Amino acid sequence: GIQVEQSPPDLILQEGANSTLRCNFSDSVNNLQWFHQNPWGQLINLFYIPSGTKQNGRLSATTVATERYSLLYISSSQTTDSGVYFCAVLPNYGANNLFFGTGTRLTVIP
Amino acid sequence: DSGVTQTPKHLITATGQRVTLRCSPRSGDLSVYWYQQSLDQGLQFLIQYYNGEERAKGNILERFSAQQFPDLHSELNLSSLELGDSALYFCASSVEGLNTEAFFGQGTRLTVV
Repeated sequence: GIQVEQSPPDLILQEGANSTLRCNFSDSVNNLQWFHQNPWGQLINLFYIPSGTKQNGRLSATTVATERYSLLYISSSQTTDSGVYFCAVLPNYGANNLFFGTGTRLTVIP
Repeated sequence: DSGVTQTPKHLITATGQRVTLRCSPRSGDLSVYWYQQSLDQGLQFLIQYYNGEERAKGNILERFSAQQFPDLHSELNLSSLELGDSALYFCASSVEGLNTEAFFGQGTRLTVV
C-alpha cells in the first residue's frame, strides 16, 4: 500500500515561532487532508488540499501532487497549536480509505 | 464542531464483554468510516459503509462488526473484548467517497480492563 511519511516526528517551538511540517507520499493521490489532533484526542480538519495552496488564518498548506509531497505552515505559533498533526491521503488506485501518516507532535511553549 | 456525533465519549468495560459504539454522520453525508487509533498502530481503517451498504473493509477483526441504518447512522459492535482492543475509535463521514472531504467525530475512548 501507499507509504505516508511525516517529518519531523517531534517539534518544540517557542510561542510566536513559525514552523513547516512535511508529508511525503509514495503514490499518486486523489485526496489529501491535514488534521490537528488536540490533547483531548479530537481530530480537527485543517485543510482538504489534493493540490495547490490554501490559507486559513495563521495556517497555510501546499500540495505538489506531481512531486508527492505536502507542506503545512504554521506561523506565529500559539500554545493552543500543540498536539499532533496528521496528513492523510487517498491513493488513486481505487482505495476507499484514507491512509494516515505517523504524525508530527508539536509542542508550543510559552 | 465537525457535525459528526459519536457516543459514548468514554467507555470502560471488562475483558470478554461486548460494546456498541454509535455514530451519526453529518447531515447529507452518505458514507461512514470507522477508524481505530491505538498507541502502537496509529490510525487504522476498519470499515466503510455507503448509503447502508458495506463498501470497503480494512483491518477489522472478526470479533468486530458494523452496520449502517436507513437513517444513515452507524454502529460498531465489538465483542469478546481483549485488553488490546483498548483504543480511540473514530467515525468519519463524507458526502460520497473520499474524493470529497472527510470529517471526523470526537471519538469514543474504549478502555478494556
